[in-house]
Amino acid sequence: GAVVSQHPSWVICKSGTSVKIECRSLDFQATTMFWYRQFPKQSLMLMATSNEGSKATYEQGVEKDKFLINHASLTLSTLTVTSAHPEDSSFYICSARDRGTGRTQYFGPGTRLLVL
Amino acid sequence: QKEVEQDPGPLSVPEGAIVSLNCTYSNSAFQYFMWYRQYSRKGPELLMYTYSSGNKEDGRFTAQVDKSSKYISLFIRDSQPSDSATYLCAMIPSGGSYIPTFGRGTSLIVHP
Repeated sequence: GAVVSQHPSWVICKSGTSVKIECRSLDFQATTMFWYRQFPKQSLMLMATSNEGSKATYEQGVEKDKFLINHASLTLSTLTVTSAHPEDSSFYICSARDRGTGRTQYFGPGTRLLVL
Repeated sequence: QKEVEQDPGPLSVPEGAIVSLNCTYSNSAFQYFMWYRQYSRKGPELLMYTYSSGNKEDGRFTAQVDKSSKYISLFIRDSQPSDSATYLCAMIPSGGSYIPTFGRGTSLIVHP
């Protein structure tokens, strides 16, 4: 099956620093990648849709200057949490839509961010 | 009312039981239906993907879609402790941007 990787899997940082999370589709091309945030025992909350070569589309209530998204190639999207604060601590998951199959999304393993 | 409703559980069953997980939805435009399994602290893993109404079987898993009732189900036969996870349903409407709407997930516990 399609594989999506995320790096890092765990990150602990001090308040005020920026953190970059990478999402890669390893064996398929993804014109669209999605970034989600998930709190404990809650469902996935879509933050933004990342399209290769164009600006990301952010969901209502998500600050685009706070969560910078770059989709530089058909296999890589990055999420940068700028000036992170403790309330940004969460589980961030990316997913990628296979260009070939269209509708199916494949998820990465997630990145756990803890801001001290 | 949310577009997709899913009972969060937890649902606790003995090993070997048949498990039924369900979601209801209100948007009649949903045409594509998926079930994901998510283990604790991991990303969701796609289990089943169906289009429109009908049944689809894959090993111990059967996905069922009843569009007339706006109701989808995932059945797990001969459940195992390793099936213990959160199961999320997801739906996509025809046309549009293909962004799925997720249920909140049902926590399943299969005890030996």
